[in-house]
Amino acid sequence: GAGVSQSPSNKVTEKGKDVELRCDPISGHTALYWYRQRLGQGLEFLIYFQGNSAPDKSGLPSDRFSAERTGESVSTLTIQRTQQEDSAVYLCASSSLGGPNTQYFGPGTRLTVL
Amino acid sequence: AQRVTQPEKLLSVFKGAPVELKCNYSYSGSPELFWYVQYSRQRLQLLLRHISRESIKGFTADLNKGETSFHLKKPFAQEEDSAMYYCALSLNFGNEKLTFGTGTRLTIIP
Repeated sequence: GAGVSQSPSNKVTEKGKDVELRCDPISGHTALYWYRQRLGQGLEFLIYFQGNSAPDKSGLPSDRFSAERTGESVSTLTIQRTQQEDSAVYLCASSSLGGPNTQYFGPGTRLTVL
Repeated sequence: AQRVTQPEKLLSVFKGAPVELKCNYSYSGSPELFWYVQYSRQRLQLLLRHISRESIKGFTADLNKGETSFHLKKPFAQEEDSAMYYCALSLNFGNEKLTFGTGTRLTIIP
């Protein structure tokens, strides 16, 4: 079946603009995660959804970052007033409820803020 | 807070030689440990998890709670093992965020 998909694959924006990143999880996966990977660093957790609720949003770096999920499916990560330090690859992952914590990752969105 | 350390950014090994990628963690409880791998132009994928105690593609990893380590090993490296390897942990055995190390780029020299 189809894996996790993300769009766009690449996004170049100017400082101060808003961007939206999209994630389509594997069908039936109720858990969805967003991570960020800056150049040369490991993945940093941003937010976790269980269904449409976000019980853990502890990794969101500032109030410029927000995310939502609808229909227990698609999720959107929004970054307002982008800054150069927001440049990174944003990865989405999904996993099934109650099973082993095997997270399936999407290909990522490479965000460049000029 | 929990932390995962991978001390080697780069590791080069000759084909047929043994491989060991180091991973240490800091957490006072009993975490679940993973190794994820990213091959060139592919997405990040799970290689193995400590609770499964399995060997995947010839790789094994043993959780050493005394040394808080979860090193990844393979007795004979193959060229197709060249990739980026990430060690990760989660605090609970269920749906839970992963804390990742910074990764080790493994290059197998033919």
